[in-house]
Amino acid sequence: GQQLNQSPQSMFIQEGEDVSMNCTSSSIFNTWLWYKQEPGEGPVLLIALYKAGELTSNGRLTAQFGITRKDSFLNISASIPSDVGIYFCAGLRYNNNDMRFGAGTRLTVKP
Amino acid sequence: DTAVSQTPKYLVTQMGNDKSIKCEQNLGHDTMYWYKQDSKKFLKIMFSYNNKELIINETVPNRFSPKSPDKAHLNLHINSLELGDSAVYFCASSLSGGANYGYTFGSGTRLTVV
Repeated sequence: GQQLNQSPQSMFIQEGEDVSMNCTSSSIFNTWLWYKQEPGEGPVLLIALYKAGELTSNGRLTAQFGITRKDSFLNISASIPSDVGIYFCAGLRYNNNDMRFGAGTRLTVKP
Repeated sequence: DTAVSQTPKYLVTQMGNDKSIKCEQNLGHDTMYWYKQDSKKFLKIMFSYNNKELIINETVPNRFSPKSPDKAHLNLHINSLELGDSAVYFCASSLSGGANYGYTFGSGTRLTVV
């Protein structure tokens, strides 16, 4: 199946710092998505991107769909303790029946 | 109202047993999925059902059998459980062909095989 390479694996930052994580793939995706997972819960959708070059914000989160359609990044500005969790990128091809996930970025925010 | 609900939340069982995990969604979605999350948190798709029809069946042992009695339900039955089946299993649903391609996930079932 398609391989999504997500980096970094983990991040330890101070409250108030900005965070950046990215995802690359050898395959083209039609939709890129970013999810957050908290302990004991399932992944929750943060941002969905549908067009190459698209830049979308959701509060302090900003994500971009790469021009080549093979990559995406997620930025979190002014991090707060509740940003702690695992962030996953995910890619969907045109049929919408097979979403593939990156390995996740584990974010720790120190107050 | 829980959008995608899975039961049970926790399941501890002995090797060799047969167990089932149930999933229900009340979002009116037409596609449902099972994902497995291993100890390293990697999420891997197992099955996808669209309108009760199997669409995706990844390389999963045939001890795993999904069953979809209707569009709102997708259950996972596992025969002859093995230690390596221990993981968190997530059910998800989506609406195919719609503008919103996001999947909605349940809160997971942590399966421990001893």
